[in-house]
Amino acid sequence: DVKVTQSSRYLVKRTGEKVFLECVQDMDHENMFWYRQDPGLGLRLIYFSYDVKMKEKGDIPEGYSVSREKKERFSLILESASTNQTSMYLCASSSPDRVPNEKLFFGSGTQLSVL
Amino acid sequence: DAKTTQPNSMESNEEEPVHLPCNHSTISGTDYIHWYRQLPSQGPEYVIHGLTSNVNNRMASLAIAEDRKSSTLILHRATLRDAAVYYCILRDAGMSYGKLTFGQGTILTVHP
Repeated sequence: DVKVTQSSRYLVKRTGEKVFLECVQDMDHENMFWYRQDPGLGLRLIYFSYDVKMKEKGDIPEGYSVSREKKERFSLILESASTNQTSMYLCASSSPDRVPNEKLFFGSGTQLSVL
Repeated sequence: DAKTTQPNSMESNEEEPVHLPCNHSTISGTDYIHWYRQLPSQGPEYVIHGLTSNVNNRMASLAIAEDRKSSTLILHRATLRDAAVYYCILRDAGMSYGKLTFGQGTILTVHP
C-alpha cells in the first residue's frame, strides 16, 4: 500500500514564525500535492509538483511556498505564519494515471495552530 | 462542473450492508464517478471509481445507474472502522491533476 507520511500530527506556532511541513511518499509517485482543509470550505489546493524541482501554484498559494528536492519529499513552507493559516494541512501523492483514473493518496494531516 | 448530491448522514449496524447514494443528474459522458472517505482525524482515502460499469474492489462496490444520473457505494459488511464521511466526486479528463472538489459528503455512523 502507498504510504504518505507527514512529519507532524499537531503543530503550534507563533505569528511571524517560518513553518516547515514535511511530507514523504514511498511509491515513487511523480505528482505530489499540498492542501488545506477548513470546516465549510472543503479541500483547497495550495501547491503541487509534477517532478523534482518543479512546482505549480494551486488555488490558494499566497503566503506559502514549496520545495521538492527529491522525488519522494515535498515540503510546504509558511514564510511568515499568520493566524488565518491555522488549518489542517494535507499532503497527497497520486497514481501515474490520467486524470479521470487518478487516485490520490493522502497523509494523516498536520493540524497547525498559529497563535 | 457537474454537481453531486448526497444525504447528510446515514446510520448502519455493524456487519450489515450499507448503501450510500449519490445523485449526479448533470453528469457528462466523460465524467468518472469517484468515492473517497475520511475517517475522523485522518486524511481522505480513495475508495473506488468507475465510468459506466459496476466496479468491485476489496473495500467496496460501486453500482452505477444505467442513465448514470446516480450511483451507490456499497459496503458489504460495515465495521466500526467504516465510520467516516463519504464523498462522491466527479472527475473528467479536462481537470487538473490533484483537483478534488469535495461536497458536504455523507456522515456514516456504524452502531455496534
